[in-house]
Amino acid sequence: RKEVEQDPGPFNVPEGATVAFNCTYSNSASQSFFWYRQDCRKEPKLLMSVYSSGNEDGRFTAQLNRASQYISLLIRDSKLSDSATYLCVVTPFYSNTGKLIFGQGTTLQVKP
Amino acid sequence: GAGVSQSPSNKVTEKGKDVELRCDPISGHTALYWYRQSLGQGLEFLIYFQGNSAPDKSGLPSDRFSAERTGGSVSTLTIQRTQQEDSAVYLCASSPAGGRGRNQPQHFGDGTRLSIL
Repeated sequence: RKEVEQDPGPFNVPEGATVAFNCTYSNSASQSFFWYRQDCRKEPKLLMSVYSSGNEDGRFTAQLNRASQYISLLIRDSKLSDSATYLCVVTPFYSNTGKLIFGQGTTLQVKP
Repeated sequence: GAGVSQSPSNKVTEKGKDVELRCDPISGHTALYWYRQSLGQGLEFLIYFQGNSAPDKSGLPSDRFSAERTGGSVSTLTIQRTQQEDSAVYLCASSPAGGRGRNQPQHFGDGTRLSIL
């Protein structure tokens, strides 16, 4: 079983739609959680951190459910420019190195 | 530039050859990471350097893989006797410090696309 699992998609949505991605992680002691965005053939870039209380950045809302070990990302009012692969990322508790464990990513295609 | 710089951007080599991939982290970043991304896969952690501490090599897939970081800055990832399954994009990242803090974003380079024939 992978440490971080995501539905690879693709999710095809029209502009203006609301779309949600979920991610599950297997290590219950994981400490930190992030969403990264990766455009085709580009490097991953940090989209936002995920906090237990939930956090919002503009059209993006991230939630963490430690009891169920899942993380979610909600995108409201989708734009064409949101088309990308969204990577769910956790850092393992047992290591203090800051190394990141990535899910395989969920691909989003926003259509006109 | 101010970002993480990797070279070469593309490398094609024959099976069995050795390759060296280079990473220049962002100036002042003490933590440096190597990951690889195979086609259609997520990123896979390879190795991590933090200051003068012993590197975390737990992600290296075999003893054909090694990395060093000289002077706390530039890092080289070496793959000996390359195999076709080594074909992937090798990404380097740096951050201001390692550790479990939430706000330690890793900044990635553009990667080296390695193809083994």
